[in-house]
Amino acid sequence: DIQMTQSPSSLSASVGDRVTITCRASQNIIIYLNWYQQKPGKAPKLLIYAASSLQSGVPSRFSGSGSGTDFTLTISSLQPEDFATYYCQQSYSTPRTFGQGTKVEIK
Amino acid sequence: QVTLRESGPALVKPTQTLTLTCTFSGFSLSTSGMCVSWIRQPPGKALEWLARIDWDDDKYYSTSLKTRLTISKDTSKNQVVLTMTNMDPVDTATYYCARARHYGDYLEVMDVWGQGTTVTVSS
Repeated sequence: DIQMTQSPSSLSASVGDRVTITCRASQNIIIYLNWYQQKPGKAPKLLIYAASSLQSGVPSRFSGSGSGTDFTLTISSLQPEDFATYYCQQSYSTPRTFGQGTKVEIK
Repeated sequence: QVTLRESGPALVKPTQTLTLTCTFSGFSLSTSGMCVSWIRQPPGKALEWLARIDWDDDKYYSTSLKTRLTISKDTSKNQVVLTMTNMDPVDTATYYCARARHYGDYLEVMDVWGQGTTVTVSS
């Protein structure tokens, strides 16, 4: 199975901050990396697919980059509704695997 | 509008078999590229992918759970059923189903999720 490792596990940030979350795959997954946002008590929501493609309806302050084994999710200007947990997930091979999550909290 | 809804027992006893049903609308599981996946999340923990069934009836399972899982579909009823045998308290979690769409060999997105159903395993 491909292991996905996110860093940091949690971070504190203020509204307006630029936030970066990284995800590393245990092997080359080319660009087949998705990002999800999950708020407490809610189902995950797809933000980014294929490393850098923005899902329809997702604000443009979210962006993704990377290829191979190293990927990044960036929030250019953190908004109050962005405080949540973010997960990366690979779709290169089955079984699919998720990172352990990064919780973005209010500073 | 695409929707999915999970249903099943809220409480199961250890060693029992869990049966969960995902009822969906707004898409057909007969359409090429369409799949339904199951994912779970223990309280306070990360998401864990469990299984997927594809439009062509191909099935895929978590490596660690594959001996306990069975996924099936009833296309006419727009339902996908997941069974998990020999339930244990560590299987206590919220279980989600999600539509997964394939674009080519590797690109797959879980773009619509159900609200989840909470299952507690306790005697």
